[in-house]
Amino acid sequence: QSALTQPASVSGSPGQSITISCTGTTRDVGHYDLVSWYQQHPGKAPKLIISDVTKRPSGVSNRFSGSKSGDTASLTISGLQADDEADYYCCSYTTSATLVFGGGTKLTVL
Amino acid sequence: EVQLVESGGGLVQPGGSLRLSCAASGFTFSTYRMHWVRQAPGKGLVWVSGIVTNGDIKNYADSVKGRFTISRDNAKNTLFLQINSLRDEDTAVYYCATTPTNSWTPFQYWGQGTLVTVFS
Repeated sequence: QSALTQPASVSGSPGQSITISCTGTTRDVGHYDLVSWYQQHPGKAPKLIISDVTKRPSGVSNRFSGSKSGDTASLTISGLQADDEADYYCCSYTTSATLVFGGGTKLTVL
Repeated sequence: EVQLVESGGGLVQPGGSLRLSCAASGFTFSTYRMHWVRQAPGKGLVWVSGIVTNGDIKNYADSVKGRFTISRDNAKNTLFLQINSLRDEDTAVYYCATTPTNSWTPFQYWGQGTLVTVFS
């Protein structure tokens, strides 16, 4: 199972919006609405920020939003803040009853 | 408060074995599916294995199938990962994580991880 494809890095200034893409195949992202996104700060455990493509868990800022079109899911962060600087990972369930993560995207807040 | 505490990591030679544990508290362990996810130093997250609530169904990533065995003890609120025939590429922080009762996704709660280092 190959990893989902994410850009290695993205950047934005405080207050701006950024979008991170996550491209899979018809066997994972394109097959199920079961894409989740995780935020990971250095040395910390990942934190769930989006589930089932668009759902935001309780306590997660509404500045985070998710979407999907075909085989590509996206995470948008609006009103960038310094604390948003972290690594972001997408994850999808697959037709093989396994889970696959993206390679991760490093977000830099300029 | 939900807590997942991994243990059992350490230094091991190639070909060796380890048994990782994940002690759960603050929630009804037996009603959650459980998983292991690993992260090699400086690299991304990789799903390793998952197990349903009663232990009857276990899934594995192709890279570990036949070498790793996931199990759980609901009476002791503990998840395990038996790792055999260790390879250099198994060096990673191993996290345990929960998913809902009837779903393999999303990973709602995570432990802080335990480091496994394979060296020769």
